[in-house]
Amino acid sequence: NAGVMQNPRHLVRRRGQEARLRCSPMKGHSHVYWYRQLPEEGLKFMVYLQKENIIDESGMPKERFSAEFPKEGPSILRIQQVVRGDSAAYFCASSPKDRDEKLFFGSGTQLSVL
Amino acid sequence: QKEVEQDPGPLSVPEGAIVSLNCTYSNSAFQYFMWYRQYSRKGPELLMYTYSSGNKEDGRFTAQVDKSSKYISLFIRDSQPSDSATYLCAMSATTDSWGKLQFGAGTQVVVTP
Repeated sequence: NAGVMQNPRHLVRRRGQEARLRCSPMKGHSHVYWYRQLPEEGLKFMVYLQKENIIDESGMPKERFSAEFPKEGPSILRIQQVVRGDSAAYFCASSPKDRDEKLFFGSGTQLSVL
Repeated sequence: QKEVEQDPGPLSVPEGAIVSLNCTYSNSAFQYFMWYRQYSRKGPELLMYTYSSGNKEDGRFTAQVDKSSKYISLFIRDSQPSDSATYLCAMSATTDSWGKLQFGAGTQVVVTP
């Protein structure tokens, strides 16, 4: 059973470009969470999705950031018109249901904005 | 003030010593407390999970929660060089989605042979 798969592992973008980060949850998991980790800071919650639904996006910046988890395919975190401050490690986590003690994290996507 | 405070370290200990880690928090609504281990360039891995106050032991790891003091601890006995990693505390309130965790900044631990 493969773990949470994130790709790409490293993504380099120039200011103003779009970044698309993909996350395939573990098999049988229908709950996906995105976190961002800035240097010297802990992980910060961004958004919680279930299939075709955004449940909690209270941690998402109001502009340029969006997330989806379609019925088929991976969850996508999209950042439009990236700026240098978006450079960070973005982690995806999945669980089979809410109120489950096991939250499995992927290895992350390191986004670098030039 | 951050909701969860954690000393970033680094904390350097000799092999075989006890590693003591802790976090303080300010939100009384936190009920679920976790410790994650994160190796360089990897995702966090759940080590210990505790609901409300009390102690929990799993092998060389012991987690303690003192809700009256808003203080949680993780102890690693007989530390090994393979324990060298960053340790993150995390917490969740019952009013929040389960996976909406508040993390500490992480403590870097180095176990020297």
